[in-house]
Amino acid sequence: TQLLEQSPQFLSIQEGENLTVYCNSSSVFSSLQWYRQEPGEGPVLLVTVVTGGEVKKLKRLTFQFGDARKDSSLHITAAQPGDTGLYLCAGALGNKLVFGAGTILRVKS
Amino acid sequence: SQTIHQWPATLVQPVGSPLSLECTVEGTSNPNLYWYRQAAGRGLQLLFYSVGIGQISSEVPQNLSASRPQDRQFILSSKKLLLSDSGFYLCAWMENTEAFFGQGTRLTVV
Repeated sequence: TQLLEQSPQFLSIQEGENLTVYCNSSSVFSSLQWYRQEPGEGPVLLVTVVTGGEVKKLKRLTFQFGDARKDSSLHITAAQPGDTGLYLCAGALGNKLVFGAGTILRVKS
Repeated sequence: SQTIHQWPATLVQPVGSPLSLECTVEGTSNPNLYWYRQAAGRGLQLLFYSVGIGQISSEVPQNLSASRPQDRQFILSSKKLLLSDSGFYLCAWMENTEAFFGQGTRLTVV
């Protein structure tokens, strides 16, 4: 059983469309992170959200942390082919960082 | 600045052969170090983590072991590889709950 459930598992959209990826858990996290990974490389940190209800923006990406600190979402506006990749959410439990199963995003031009 | 090195990038090993993957970190001291395995481009499964020299925590019973002989060195090993050990192995260090990854090792057991 995944501690962090991500949805959807796979998303294929046209360039210019908007999308939202969700990360849900029954556990409370002190913080959640979002990573992006390209094939054959390690994940790269995009953002960390810490405060319940927090919203962070990174250019066309908007990250939100749920009020109860159990869930998070990633919204991409006007997706571009360069956004293609695997998006992973992760949460810290003590010294461990646990990951969701990921969302594979494909943006077609 | 901190950097993390992981090698080799790719490895093809026969079933029953030993394994040693090495990870080193530069630019930080006493880091928390992690080994993850990733199957088919999906989520990361935590295998081992270490908070200091000689301290290893195992997350999943398996055919692998880990060691931390030096502060900034983390090694993943196996005495006899199985086909199911194939996958993408990632080393990471963590600071303030944020993880920084190496480039990964693609292991294929044949």
